[in-house]
Amino acid sequence: NAGVTQTPKFRILKIGQSMTLQCAQDMNHNYMYWYRQDPGMGLKLIYYSVGAGITDKGEVPNGYNVSRSTTEDFPLRLELAAPSQTSVYFCASSLLAGGYYEQYFGPGTRLTVT
Amino acid sequence: DQQVKQNSPSLSVQEGRISILNCDYTNSMFDYFLWYKKYPAEGPTFLISISSIKDKNEDGRFTVFLNKSAKHLSLHIVPSQPGDSAVYFCAASEGNQFYFGTGTSLTVIP
Repeated sequence: NAGVTQTPKFRILKIGQSMTLQCAQDMNHNYMYWYRQDPGMGLKLIYYSVGAGITDKGEVPNGYNVSRSTTEDFPLRLELAAPSQTSVYFCASSLLAGGYYEQYFGPGTRLTVT
Repeated sequence: DQQVKQNSPSLSVQEGRISILNCDYTNSMFDYFLWYKKYPAEGPTFLISISSIKDKNEDGRFTVFLNKSAKHLSLHIVPSQPGDSAVYFCAASEGNQFYFGTGTSLTVIP
C-alpha cells in the first residue's frame, strides 16, 4: 500500500501560469480532501470529494478547481497562479466522512508563485 | 476567522516528563476533535481523537481531555520521549468540514 501519493513534491510557477497538483490513494477510500498550509498557519480545507463525480467547496476554494473521475484520483487545478497561492498543499483521504474516520495525508507539494 | 486556536507556538519538555498541549475552539457544533502529529517534510499523521460526547480518551502514552463548557481540549503525553518532538495540530470536525489550529512545536529534550 502506497497510501496517499502526491506529485510533484516542489514546483515554482510564474504569476498567471496554470498547473495541476496530482493526488492518488490506493486504500479505496471514498472521501478525499485538499488542504493548504501557509507559514505559521493551520491547514485550511480547499475542496473535498465524497466519491467519484462529487465534489464540494471547503473553507478557501477561490482560485482552485477539482475533479474526481475515479475513486483513486483527486487532482487540484490552479488556473491563474497568484503569489497568494504560495503554500504547501496536502491531499488526504478517509474511508468515510466526519471526525470519527481517520484522515490519511500525503507528503505535500510545496508551491511557490513568483 | 480562526475557529480552532493553539496559543502556544512551541513547548519544550524534558524526556520522561509530561507534555501538555492545549487547544481552544469557538464553534459549539463541532462533533469530533482530533490531534495530528507532523514531522518536517511529511504530511500530518493521526494521533488520537475524541467525540464531543466524551470528556477523555486514552491511547497508550497519549490522553486527550475535552472540556466542552470551556471549549477547550488538551493532549497529554506521558512520559515524553525524544521521538515525540514534532508539530502537533489540533483539529475539529463539523460534518465533512475540518478546521485545524496553527500547531504547537514540541521539543523533548533528552
